[in-house]
Parts: sequence; C-alpha cells; structure tokens
Amino acid sequence: DIQMTQSPSSLSASVGDKVTITCRASQSISSYLNWYQQKPGKAPKLLIFAASSLQSGVPSRFSGSGSGTDFTLTISSLQPEDFATYYCQESYTTPVTFGQGTNLEIK
Amino acid sequence: EVQLVESGGGLVQPGGSLRLSCAASGFTSSSYWMCWVRQAPGKGLEWVGNIKQDGSDKYYVDSVKGRFTISRDNAKNSLYLQMNSLRAEDTAVYYCARVNSWQQLGQGYYYYYMDVWGKGTTVTVSS
Repeated sequence: DIQMTQSPSSLSASVGDKVTITCRASQSISSYLNWYQQKPGKAPKLLIFAASSLQSGVPSRFSGSGSGTDFTLTISSLQPEDFATYYCQESYTTPVTFGQGTNLEIK
Repeated sequence: EVQLVESGGGLVQPGGSLRLSCAASGFTSSSYWMCWVRQAPGKGLEWVGNIKQDGSDKYYVDSVKGRFTISRDNAKNSLYLQMNSLRAEDTAVYYCARVNSWQQLGQGYYYYYMDVWGKGTTVTVSS
C-alpha cells in the first residue's frame, strides 16, 4: 500500500498569512493526488484534484502543485473560515490512502 | 441539489451486524463509482471500499475484507454497506462519497476524486 505523509501535523498561523502544507507519497503517484478540507463535525470537502486542479466553487487562494512523490497545498492569504484540518489522498491505486491530516489553527 | 444522506448507524455489540444506507439525490448515482470512508473518533480518514457503477467490481481495505460488503441498488439511487463481525475498532463515522473522474485533454487516463460527501452516520461497537 502507498503511504502518504503530511507535514506538518499541526500548524498555527494568522489571518492573511501564506501557508504551505506538504504531502509525500511512499512511491511515485504521478499527479493522482487530491486535497480535502474538513471542519469539526463536518464531512470533508474537496479542494484540489489531480494535484493542481481547483474544484469548482473553491476560492482561488487555494492552489496545489507537485507530481511524483512530493506535493504541496498552498493557501495564499488565510481567511477565518480556512482554519480546519487538511488531508491529502492518493488515487493512484487501490487501496486509496489518505495522509494523517494537518490541523491548521489560529495563532 | 446534489446530495448524499447516510442512515443506519447506531450502537452494536462486538460480533454484531449493521447495514448502512446512503441515498443519493440530484444526480444519477448509476453513472459513478461510489465509496465508503470512515473516521474513528479523533482520527483521520480511512477509505473502506468502493463499488463500480454496475456493481460488478468492488474493492475493500484489508481490515474489512471478508466482513464488510458494499452493494448498490441503482433503481433506488442507493448505496449500502453491510457490516458483519463488528469490532471495537470499527467504531467511526461512516461517510458515503461520490467518486468523480476527470480526463486531461489528450491523455488516455482518468483522475479520480471524491467530490460529493454525505454528512455521515455514526457506528459505535461496544458491549
């Protein structure tokens, strides 16, 4: 199975900050990488698919990049509603696997 | 409105069974792979399994193989998860999700992602 490792596991930042979250795959997954946002008590929400494609309706301050084994999710200017947990997920093979999550907190 | 609504969760004893349902509306679920994802209390997301549009192919995470079965009834726009021989470690919120796909122009392959999620239903396995 492919292992997905996110860093950092938690992050404190302020409104207006630029934030980058990293996801590393245990083997090459090309661009088969998705990013989700989850708020407490809510279902995950798709942000980015195929490593860099922005899901419809998601603000343009979110962006994704990378291919192979190393990927990043960038939030260009944090807004109050962005404080949440973020997960990467590979769709290269079965079983599908998620990263352990990055908890983004208000500083 | 595109929507998924799970039901059927509850408290069950170890070794017991439970059947979860997921009702789709606002889209034709028979056109999509569908999947189940779970989240144990305070933990991350874990993919449980998925099922092809016509139900002919199914895949599961190793920890549930032989105990859980995914099925669908396209006439009812519904997805199911039959869970048998439940264990304490199966305690989680269970989400159903639509698996969508995208093909980049000029490429011969598809990218898959979960673009619609239900709100989840809670399963607690405890004596």
